[in-house]
Amino acid sequence: IVMTQSPLSLPVTPGESASISCRSNQSLVDGGHGTTSLDWYLQKPGQSPQLLIYAVSYRASGVPDRFSGSGSGTDFTLKISRVEAEDVGVYYCMQRIEFMCSFGQGTKLEIK
Amino acid sequence: QVQLVQSGAEVKKPGSSVKISCKASGGTLSNYGFSWVRQAPGQGLEWMGRIVPIFGLTRYAQKFHGRVTFSADRSTTTTYMEVDSLRSEDSAIYYCARDLHPDTLSLPPLDPWGQGTLVTVSS
Repeated sequence: IVMTQSPLSLPVTPGESASISCRSNQSLVDGGHGTTSLDWYLQKPGQSPQLLIYAVSYRASGVPDRFSGSGSGTDFTLKISRVEAEDVGVYYCMQRIEFMCSFGQGTKLEIK
Repeated sequence: QVQLVQSGAEVKKPGSSVKISCKASGGTLSNYGFSWVRQAPGQGLEWMGRIVPIFGLTRYAQKFHGRVTFSADRSTTTTYMEVDSLRSEDSAIYYCARDLHPDTLSLPPLDPWGQGTLVTVSS
C-alpha cells in the first residue's frame, strides 16, 4: 500500500493552525476489527518517532488536544491548531492493514 | 511503564551481519508484538517486519524477506533483529517499537519506540 502525504514541507507561524493530508491507494478499513488502521507519528529532531494519533482520530496518551485526526477510507488529515515551537519535526502517517505497515514520505513542519 | 532500550551503534563491513537487541525494561514481553523500522540518513521511515514472541510469530516486509531474522528471548525480555549480507544501503538507524496493545486480529499502533541503533556499513 502506497501512502502519499502533502505537503512535504509546512512552514507555520506560531499560533496558527496547520493541516497535513495523507492518502492511500486502497481502503484502510481493517477486516479484523472493522476499524480504520491509520496512525500519525511525530519525529522531533534527533528523537525517535512518537505516536500522536491512532485509528484515524484517537489521541495517544499525553498528546495535547491541539492535535486532531480525521478522515475515512483512503483520505486522512492531521490538524494542529495553535501551532507551538515544540511541534516542529517530521510528521508521518502510517497504515497497518493486513498485518503489514507502510509510512508516508513525511511532512516537515517548521516555524516561520 | 515499559521502555525499550536498544543496543549500541555498530560499524560493519559489507557482506557481514549485524544483530541488534531491544530490551523491554519495566515489563515482560507478554503477548505484545514488536516491530522493526529503519531510517536511512535523511530519509523517511521504513517498516521491516514484526515478531510476536509468545507465539513465535514473525512477519517480514517483502523487501527484507530472507535477509532479516527476528528472534526473542522471553527470559530476558529482549527481542533481536539480525541483518545478513550487509551493504552500504543498509546504513541506517534501526528502531524497535512495541504494539500499543496486544491484538491477534490486527496489527496495533506502535508505542513505545526504542532510542534507535545506528548501523554504519563501510569498507
